[in-house]
Order: sequence, then C-alpha cells, then structure tokens
Amino acid sequence: GENVEQHPSTLSVQEGDSAVIKCTYSDSASNYFPWYKQELGKGPQLIIDIRSNVGEKKDQRIAVTLNKTAKHFSLHITETQPEDSAVYFCAASLGNEKLTFGTGTRLTIIP
Amino acid sequence: DTGVSQDPRHKITKRGQNVTFRCDPISEHNRLYWYRQTLGQGPEFLTYFQNEAQLEKSRLLSDRFSAERPKGSFSTLEIQRTEQGDSAMYLCASSFVDNEQFFGPGTRLTVL
Repeated sequence: GENVEQHPSTLSVQEGDSAVIKCTYSDSASNYFPWYKQELGKGPQLIIDIRSNVGEKKDQRIAVTLNKTAKHFSLHITETQPEDSAVYFCAASLGNEKLTFGTGTRLTIIP
Repeated sequence: DTGVSQDPRHKITKRGQNVTFRCDPISEHNRLYWYRQTLGQGPEFLTYFQNEAQLEKSRLLSDRFSAERPKGSFSTLEIQRTEQGDSAMYLCASSFVDNEQFFGPGTRLTVL
C-alpha cells in the first residue's frame, strides 16, 4: 500500500518568513495530494490540494509543488502569520478515495 | 452549520463496554469516510461508503468494529468490547465522488 513520509516533524519560523514542508510517497499510481491544517481539538481542515496533472498550485500565501518523477510534493507558506501555527498533514491517494497521511509537522510562528 | 458533524465529541468508557459514534455528512455528499487518529500521528483510514454501500475496509478494522450508513445519509461506527488500544480520535469525512474530503471535529474516545 501507499506510504507517505513527512519532514520536518517540527518547524519554527519567524513571523513574516517562509515555511516549507516536504512529503514523499511510495505508490506511483497516487494522483491526488491534499494538505490539511489541524488546530488543537479540531478536525483537519483542507487548505490546498494538487492533482498529478499539474506541477504547482497557488492560493494566496500558500503554494504546493509536485514532482511526480521523484514522488515528492511540498507545501510553501509565505509571509507567515501567528494564525498559521498548527499541525500540517500531507496526504496521498488514488482517485481521492482513502487518504494516506504523513505523520504531521508542528509549525510554530514566532512573533 | 452545514459542515460535517459528529456526536458525541467525547466519550469515556470502561474496557469491555460497547460504544457507538454518529457522523452526519455534508448534505448531498455521497461518500463518507471514517479515520482514526492517535496522539502525534496522522489520521489512518478505516472504511468508506459510497451512498449506503461500504466499499472498502482497512485491516485496522477488526471484527470488533462495524460501520453502517443506512439510506446513504448519516453513518454510525460501533466498537464492541472496547480495549485500551482503541483510545483515539475517530474522524469522519465526507465528499462528492472524486472531490475534496471535508472532516468533522472528531469523537475522542478514552477507554479506561
């Protein structure tokens, strides 16, 4: 089955700087890659996703890049703000059926 | 609120007891998923439904676990003879076929 690895497990950045989180996946058939943000005591919230027919997608301060050949994808957050502090999860799936999640990155924005 | 809702939000039970959780998906979403999340880990897939049909079950879903989605609307997840290892957050998500999954707030289960 699919296996997703996520790095780093913790990340601290100064407010206003950029944050990058990286994930690799094992199943070359996977074609859908969402990113979720989870705050304490809440369910995961979808923040951006990308499908295998595109290499990059951007939504305001958030962008995701996908390298199908290398089987890795990354989340980029620019101009970080205190409310960006949370745990971020990457995931992979075939056809947006069951999602296989990474182990999460705890992002802390330092004011 | 038109999001995914789950009930109860918290459940404390004694080992050996049965528990049942409910999930109400976003209206008209035809897919409903159950995941389990333990502390410090990402959610793990348990099972999913398309309408009322249960299409896939993870090997994590032992015979003590059963899920239903009668009439293709809300879903229930039952755990029989709970064990301490069942303590986790149980998350429900819903989607249209091949579209984004939206998660509910989860049910936190503690087995004493």
